[in-house]
Amino acid sequence: DTAVSQTPKYLVTQMGNDKSIKCEQNLGHDTMYWYKQDSKKFLKIMFSYNNKELIINETVPNRFSPKSPDKAHLNLHINSLELGDSAVYFCASSQAGSDYGYTFGSGTRLTVV
Amino acid sequence: DQQVKQNSPSLSVQEGRISILNCDYTNSMFDYFLWYKKYPAEGPTFLISISSIKDKNEDGRFTVFLNKSAKHLSLHIVPSQPGDSAVYFCAARGFSNQFYFGTGTSLTVIP
Repeated sequence: DTAVSQTPKYLVTQMGNDKSIKCEQNLGHDTMYWYKQDSKKFLKIMFSYNNKELIINETVPNRFSPKSPDKAHLNLHINSLELGDSAVYFCASSQAGSDYGYTFGSGTRLTVV
Repeated sequence: DQQVKQNSPSLSVQEGRISILNCDYTNSMFDYFLWYKKYPAEGPTFLISISSIKDKNEDGRFTVFLNKSAKHLSLHIVPSQPGDSAVYFCAARGFSNQFYFGTGTSLTVIP
């Protein structure tokens, strides 16, 4: 299936731990993104990345870092997790010039306890 | 600083009637607008879009209207069906192909 897939779907972890969320797209898109949906349901961009440029939302703590081994993958690493990091994280991809915006993954619900 | 706003967090409509979801934005430089539909435990999926040079786009039961002077867009669903029950996000494209999302409106279509 052509899609954006992210793993794991659920992640429960303790404060202070380091965790990663993986994202892969097989759509041949040139740009990938990470979004955070907080408790108020606000979808906020964290990063966008293509093979030329990483754009970071300046409000994102530097404990969060994207890693892209290739065009089809954009993983999210989070160090020293905090309670406030609990949210649903969505990976997405897009192709420049497309009329369809982003294709989203199904989300990763992160719970920090 | 939320540039795209959906002021109605929820909406209930009888099956067969019209559903109208509203969205307001603040940045006049946005050039492209989309509506996404989201079911629980799934990511948002593209529903319909409209360019800033148009004021209406229709696709089956779904019509999006854009009023640039009011910086307002709306999604009309007619007739509404129970399967339309979902959260609807509007999004606007700004600089560098980045989309800004509203907080969503949860639509419930009552059979």
